[in-house]
Amino acid sequence: GAGVSQSPSNKVTEKGKDVELRCDPISGHTALYWYRQSLGQGLEFLIYFQGNSAPDKSGLPSDRFSAERTGGSVSTLTIQRTQQEDSAVYLCASSAGGVWGGEQYFGPGTRLTVT
Amino acid sequence: AQSVTQPDIHITVSEGASLELRCNYSYGATPYLFWYVQSPGQGLQLLLKYFSGDTLVQGIKGFEAEFKRSQSSFNLRKPSVHWSDAAEYFCAVFKGTSGTYKYIFGTGTRLKVLA
Repeated sequence: GAGVSQSPSNKVTEKGKDVELRCDPISGHTALYWYRQSLGQGLEFLIYFQGNSAPDKSGLPSDRFSAERTGGSVSTLTIQRTQQEDSAVYLCASSAGGVWGGEQYFGPGTRLTVT
Repeated sequence: AQSVTQPDIHITVSEGASLELRCNYSYGATPYLFWYVQSPGQGLQLLLKYFSGDTLVQGIKGFEAEFKRSQSSFNLRKPSVHWSDAAEYFCAVFKGTSGTYKYIFGTGTRLKVLA
């Protein structure tokens, strides 16, 4: 079956613009996760969804970041008024059976460049 | 604060040599532990995981890892490295507290394999 897909694969935007990143999880996976991977750094856990609910938003770097998930499927990560430090690869993952420490399946990522 | 440390940023080994990648975690309870691999141009893939029980866990591609509570370590090993193992390896901890969850990843170890 299809894996996790993300779009766009690359996004170049000007500082101050808003961007939307999309994640399509594996069908039937109830848990969805967003990460940020900056050059030379590990994965920074941003937020997770159990169904459409995000119980803990404390991992989002600032209030310019928001995420939503609808229909227990597609999720969007929105960054408002982008800054150069937002440049990174944004990864999405999904897992079956809920958020309990199970195997995550990762998408290919969206490379965001803020100029 | 909970953390995951991978002390080696880069490791170079010859093909056929043995490999050990180090991972130390800081977490009060027994964590769920993972190793992921990120190959060039590919997404992250789970190699193995430890939840409980036998402290030596086997994974895919001939990898294994040993959980040592006394050392707060979860080192990844492979007896004979193949050129295709060249990639970046991430250790991760899953933390669940009071209904909220978080994955904490190390900063990664980049493996280079010499022919």
